[in-house]
Amino acid sequence: AQSVSQHNHHVILSEAASLELGCNYSYGGTVNLFWYVQYPGQHLQLLLKYFSGDPLVKGIKGFEAEFIKSKFSFNLRKPSVQWSDTAEYFCAVNSRAAGNKLTFGGGTRVLVKP
Amino acid sequence: NAGVMQNPRHLVRRRGQEARLRCSPMKGHSHVYWYRQLPEEGLKFMVYLQKENIIDESGMPKERFSAEFPKEGPSILRIQQVVRGDSAAYFCASSPLMGAVESSGNTIYFGEGSWLTVV
Repeated sequence: AQSVSQHNHHVILSEAASLELGCNYSYGGTVNLFWYVQYPGQHLQLLLKYFSGDPLVKGIKGFEAEFIKSKFSFNLRKPSVQWSDTAEYFCAVNSRAAGNKLTFGGGTRVLVKP
Repeated sequence: NAGVMQNPRHLVRRRGQEARLRCSPMKGHSHVYWYRQLPEEGLKFMVYLQKENIIDESGMPKERFSAEFPKEGPSILRIQQVVRGDSAAYFCASSPLMGAVESSGNTIYFGEGSWLTVV
């Protein structure tokens, strides 16, 4: 069975600081990887996704993520955060072998102080 | 083009009552997924439905929970005899194609969620 773990439950940082959120998954086969963001009171929005090719993926709002297959990791990064990046971030994985269900990590709540 | 619509956004039920959550997928989407988010936890898959068919219900609790997606009308997630532990946010998502939830042309879209509180 596939599973996803996110290292931090809560992150607090100041504007202009760099952000890195860890995500590790456990599944040995071919996977697709995603990061979603949920702003307060809003629905989940897709930030970026990885299927194949370049392991460094660029997403919306200045976010990027790097797939490191040997480490089973897909960490999310942003060089300089803004107050508007305050949200909850979810890493997710799916695979054809698991019936294409999205399996989510527990989420990381990010608070950016102005 | 309206997104995935869920209602009610907030629902309060007493223990033992029934809760019905509705989800209208995006126009043209025929596949619906329900996820549950318990307090301080991530989203957990519950069920995947196509029109009039349940494709995968491996995440559904064995009792009191049921889901349907009729030929006409929204998908319904029904919880009978609710208990306090059912208090959660329930998210619906839809996609246009069967098979891969996410592929280059098949993006899954989430609704804004329905928050159930059992008192």
